[in-house]
Amino acid sequence: RKEVEQDPGPFNVPEGATVAFNCTYSNSASQSFFWYRQDCRKEPKLLMSVYSSGNEDGRFTAQLNRASQYISLLIRDSKLSDSATYLCVVTLNSGGSNYKLTFGKGTLLTVNP
Amino acid sequence: GAGVSQSPSNKVTEKGKDVELRCDPISGHTALYWYRQSLGQGLEFLIYFQGNSAPDKSGLPSDRFSAERTGGSVSTLTIQRTQQEDSAVYLCASSRPGLAGLGKTQYFGPGTRLLVL
Repeated sequence: RKEVEQDPGPFNVPEGATVAFNCTYSNSASQSFFWYRQDCRKEPKLLMSVYSSGNEDGRFTAQLNRASQYISLLIRDSKLSDSATYLCVVTLNSGGSNYKLTFGKGTLLTVNP
Repeated sequence: GAGVSQSPSNKVTEKGKDVELRCDPISGHTALYWYRQSLGQGLEFLIYFQGNSAPDKSGLPSDRFSAERTGGSVSTLTIQRTQQEDSAVYLCASSRPGLAGLGKTQYFGPGTRLLVL
């Protein structure tokens, strides 16, 4: 089983739509969780960290379910500029290895006019 | 301020040749990381530097891969006797110093696209 799994998509949605991505992770010792965004042929950029209580940043809401080992990202009122690949990322904090980001392969989102 | 920079942005080489990839981290970032992103694959961790030392080299795929960091700043990833399967985007990231055990946001450079013919 892969360490971090995501539905690769693609997700094609119209502007204004709400879209949700899920991600599962295999290691129950995972401690830190993130969503990164990667535009075509660009580097990944941190979109938001994911906290146990869930957190929101504008149109973006992230949730964590430790019992089921999954993370979600909800995007409301999609914009054309949201088109990108969304990467689910986890780290382990055991043995001081909290620096090692483990990435999913990403979910491709295209927002259409 | 200036972000992480990498050079070259693209590199085409012949199988069997050695290549050197360079990373300039954000000023003041003591931690530096190398990752690789192959076509259709997720990013995979290669190596982590804290200052000039590399406490974790576990992601280096073979002994043809090595990396060093000097002056707590610039890092070079060297691939010897390149193979076609080494073709990928090599990404460098850096992060601020912080309390041990706490993860810090990693800022990525634009990457070096390596193509081995």
